[in-house]
Amino acid sequence: AQKVTQAQTEISVVEKEDVTLDCVYETRDTTYYLFWYKQPPSGELVFLIRRNSFDEQNEISGRYSWNFQKSTSSFNFTITASQVVDSAVYFCALSEALYNQGGKLIFGQGTELSVKP
Amino acid sequence: DSGVTQTPKHLITATGQRVTLRCSPRSGDLSVYWYQQSLDQGLQFLIQYYNGEERAKGNILERFSAQQFPDLHSELNLSSLELGDSALYFCASSVESGFANEKLFFGSGTQLSVL
Repeated sequence: AQKVTQAQTEISVVEKEDVTLDCVYETRDTTYYLFWYKQPPSGELVFLIRRNSFDEQNEISGRYSWNFQKSTSSFNFTITASQVVDSAVYFCALSEALYNQGGKLIFGQGTELSVKP
Repeated sequence: DSGVTQTPKHLITATGQRVTLRCSPRSGDLSVYWYQQSLDQGLQFLIQYYNGEERAKGNILERFSAQQFPDLHSELNLSSLELGDSALYFCASSVESGFANEKLFFGSGTQLSVL
């Protein structure tokens, strides 16, 4: 069965610290997509990144980087030199191509990141 | 601003009542998705519509129903409300029919409180 696990419920860091949010997924599909979304205190969900199962290249976008490892079924997210504005709940999500389930996202439980000044 | 509009932002009602949540997708998007976010269940996919037709169904209760209208806006109807239906309901939209790689744009949600 498909599942996304974010074992870290809450993380608290001090500004400028690096922080890694873990995400482990389960799927039987060979073609799937992984996403990260950010939910700031205002409530809306904001797309951060999408990665397909055939592309294991790591990605960097400014202070954000993502490490995808199929061997461990993990898609971890690192924020370098964290800032107070990074405080939010971060969700990892999985979308499977099998049975053409469309854009149905399976979300993890989320990790609440608190960055203190 | 994602371009997805949800109304109302907050809704307070009583058990047994019926409510309608409304969603306007981004201009040009044909697919609309409904998600429920609650403390115990997390973010759960409810249902997807593409160009007026139901495309995929998730953990949607029989008391809940949705539709997408010709102008592509969507409504989620929740009836015989129970305390446990209190949650944040998100609408999202995407351009295509919901391929697995599609990026979803989420609205700000409707916070439903059932008292």
